[in-house]
Amino acid sequence: DGGITQSPKYLFRKEGQNVTLSCEQNLNHDAMYWYRQDPGQGLRLIYYSQIVNDFQKGDIAEGYSVSREKKESFPLTVTSAQKNPTAFYLCASSSALRGHEQYFGPGTRLTVT
Amino acid sequence: DAKTTQPNSMESNEEEPVHLPCNHSTISGTDYIHWYRQLPSQGPEYVIHGLTSNVNNRMASLAIAEDRKSSTLILHRATLRDAAVYYCIRQMDSSYKLIFGSGTRLLVRP
Repeated sequence: DGGITQSPKYLFRKEGQNVTLSCEQNLNHDAMYWYRQDPGQGLRLIYYSQIVNDFQKGDIAEGYSVSREKKESFPLTVTSAQKNPTAFYLCASSSALRGHEQYFGPGTRLTVT
Repeated sequence: DAKTTQPNSMESNEEEPVHLPCNHSTISGTDYIHWYRQLPSQGPEYVIHGLTSNVNNRMASLAIAEDRKSSTLILHRATLRDAAVYYCIRQMDSSYKLIFGSGTRLLVRP
């Protein structure tokens, strides 16, 4: 089955710790994205990547970092510099940037206390 | 403002058509209009997208106004599984971004 997997589904961390969220896709998509969703809100773009070894900041990149060493993988690190890291994090991919549907993973709910 | 405007919530009866409106009055000629829906604690699911002409797929139809300042997502026969938050999204020509608003929460009554 083709799709996007995110792990873990739930993640708990202490304040001041960095944490890495996993995102893997086997759809052979070139573009991958990370979004953040807060309760009752729409999604906001953190980072996106069009090709391997290249990525761009979205609207709320501060306190986050990414890497794209393989086409299939786009991990997101939430650093201790992120002021309000508790949120629902969603990874997505698409075959191209414009005019193409994005396929979303099931999400990771991160709670930082 | 690049965001779209949608009603906060709508209700429908099962097996009846649903028309979900969206206003995007600042849209430019080459911006795409996308619709996604999301169930609680899940990732959004693609529904449909279009540029200028009306579009149909197995899930829904998208009717785009002639001036492109508004569009309507049409679910031809609502089912209980269609209850979700529906996002009307503008994808600007100048960028890759899908700009999400707050969406419309659709309630389907049995």
